Amino acid sequence: GENVEQHPSTLSVQEGDSAVIKCTYSDSASNYFPWYKQELGKRPQLIIDIRSNVGEKKDQRIAVTLNKTAKHFSLHITETQPEDSAVYFCAASRGSGTYKYIFGTGTRLKVLA
Amino acid sequence: EAQVTQNPRYLITVTGKKLTVTCSQNMNHEYMSWYRQDPGLGLRQIYYSMNVEVTDKGDVPEGYKVSRKEKRNFPLILESPSPNQTSLYFCASSFLGGGEFKLFFGSGTQLSVL
Repeated sequence: GENVEQHPSTLSVQEGDSAVIKCTYSDSASNYFPWYKQELGKRPQLIIDIRSNVGEKKDQRIAVTLNKTAKHFSLHITETQPEDSAVYFCAASRGSGTYKYIFGTGTRLKVLA
Repeated sequence: EAQVTQNPRYLITVTGKKLTVTCSQNMNHEYMSWYRQDPGLGLRQIYYSMNVEVTDKGDVPEGYKVSRKEKRNFPLILESPSPNQTSLYFCASSFLGGGEFKLFFGSGTQLSVL
């Protein structure tokens, strides 16, 4: 069946460094790829998303890139800060025109001061 | 304030005792969904609803029931809970259409089945 693989499962970076989280999806019809951030004890919140007709999207220190041919997409966080410490989930839509996500298994990011 | 409200936040029960977790949203969202979160497995969809009286199975629907009688409410029912349903549950809602599908999550329900 369709799945989304997310790597790494944990990531530690020094404050100010960049962090990159990668996801690979299997359903070639997937056309929507959101990223959610979940702080400890809190609910997941959407931080950025990208559609399959776009290769890259930026929002301040956060960017997402999509390679449709290779079926992978990545989250890039630059100039990391302690408040970036959280679990990050990628997701891919199941097929086109559907509203079912498949979530990755999550990456725990620790930003060391 | 726009929000998704889940109750209860914490629930401890015993095997076989029926329970309901409530979910309500005040944003007039068409779409509502339930997820469970388990360590190392991420968020897995249980059921979702595209509108009133329209529900469909997600990836892990076994042992769960839902209903959507009103647009704002989407309760999750465990008719006969078992220990493998111990998990953190999230309700979420979203508008449909408009080119964006942003899920708004509730604050979660930590369920322990003994």
